[in-house]
Amino acid sequence: GAGVSQSPSNKVTEKGKDVELRCDPISGHTALYWYRQRLGQGLEFLIYFQGNSAPDKSGLPSDRFSAERTGESVSTLTIQRTQQEDSAVYLCASSRGTSTGELFFGEGSRLTVL
Amino acid sequence: QQQVKQSPQSLIVQKGGISIINCAYENTAFDYFPWYQQFPGKGPALLIAIRPDVSEKKEGRFTISFNKSAKQFSLHIMDSQPGDSATYFCAASMGYGGATNKLIFGTGTLLAVQP
Repeated sequence: GAGVSQSPSNKVTEKGKDVELRCDPISGHTALYWYRQRLGQGLEFLIYFQGNSAPDKSGLPSDRFSAERTGESVSTLTIQRTQQEDSAVYLCASSRGTSTGELFFGEGSRLTVL
Repeated sequence: QQQVKQSPQSLIVQKGGISIINCAYENTAFDYFPWYQQFPGKGPALLIAIRPDVSEKKEGRFTISFNKSAKQFSLHIMDSQPGDSATYFCAASMGYGGATNKLIFGTGTLLAVQP
């Protein structure tokens, strides 16, 4: 596709349930990033993937959060046993494999935990 | 040390005026400083970026001013227009020459340009 695609765009779940959020990066982009944006706040780094290198998981807030990426394509962010404080917009971005590469963001997945 | 502090939190400017948003950082290893613009319901998009070897970069009505000794940088929007109304994020990253651009973002500034 032309841009970064994320699904679902909206997800409402009950506390304690697991959720999976999907990201389709721009074709050819080797780097993929996940950020979290809480209401009225900045973007909080969660994790990035670069090629076949080990991912940088330093931003994951707890062991309930995990992410996978298959090669240089789709990534899935999984949140287990969701809590109300997990409610946020989860943004995915991709970029070419350079340190000043522009991050192209998707429109995000809005997660609401009741 | 990883933080990027941004101010103000919100800003109201009259059409034609100058919008100024400021950011400060602590980590001297940061070597790339972009600004992203986000409209409601959309993901952020790159607006303009600067590296610390220059003190100013201008693209159209948007200018970044960079003060390396003070560890501060700012975005100036000249002749602000209602279409500029959006949330603006400053960011910083390190590792020039590496393969990823792990950005640390500020908390954002909600800009409203009144007609």
